[in-house]
Amino acid sequence: EAGVTQFPSHSVIEKGQTVTLRCDPISGHDNLYWYRRVMGKEIKFLLHFVKESKQDESGMPNNRFLAERTGGTYSTLKVQPAELEDSGVYFCASSLQPGLATYEQYFGPGTRLTVT
Amino acid sequence: GENVEQHPSTLSVQEGDSAVIKCTYSDSASNYFPWYKQELGKGPQLIIDIRSNVGEKKDQRIAVTLNKTAKHFSLHITETQPEDSAVYFCAARSSNTGNQFYFGTGTSLTVIP
Repeated sequence: EAGVTQFPSHSVIEKGQTVTLRCDPISGHDNLYWYRRVMGKEIKFLLHFVKESKQDESGMPNNRFLAERTGGTYSTLKVQPAELEDSGVYFCASSLQPGLATYEQYFGPGTRLTVT
Repeated sequence: GENVEQHPSTLSVQEGDSAVIKCTYSDSASNYFPWYKQELGKGPQLIIDIRSNVGEKKDQRIAVTLNKTAKHFSLHITETQPEDSAVYFCAARSSNTGNQFYFGTGTSLTVIP
């Protein structure tokens, strides 16, 4: 079974540019999460999709970040315009639907974003 | 919201020795505590987890203990091997705040051959 995949693995952009990150969750996982780790700090929650709906976007830093999950399959996270403080590693995770008493989240390899 | 603290930030042990990483949390409604291992160039991989109704869980050389009263949980790795070298993250899930995980800042473990 394929795990969570993310694209690209690395992205270097200039301040003010736009970047779109993509995440493909494990097949059959309704829940999809975005997290971010800024260098040396904790991994912080950004938002949570259940299928195509945003269940919780309390961690989104500001309106320069837009996440979508059309059709309830893969998700994209767009940063526009990018700022220096957006640099970090963006992780995507997925899990089975709630109600199955399972909380495990499976993480992708991450996208390292560098804004110069 | 939940606040998770993790110590130490770096840890070096000799091969064959034990390693212990400790985490504390603040939200008494937290009910699930996973541990992740992140190797260089890879994403965090779930290695063990524990729920709030259990005090200890073991899987071969890895064990996790939970003290709900003190709000702390620990990862224990016995008979460490060089391939255990990685960054380890603890996390907590609170029933008050949905399914998001709150992570510690990570521990970089180096096992010296």
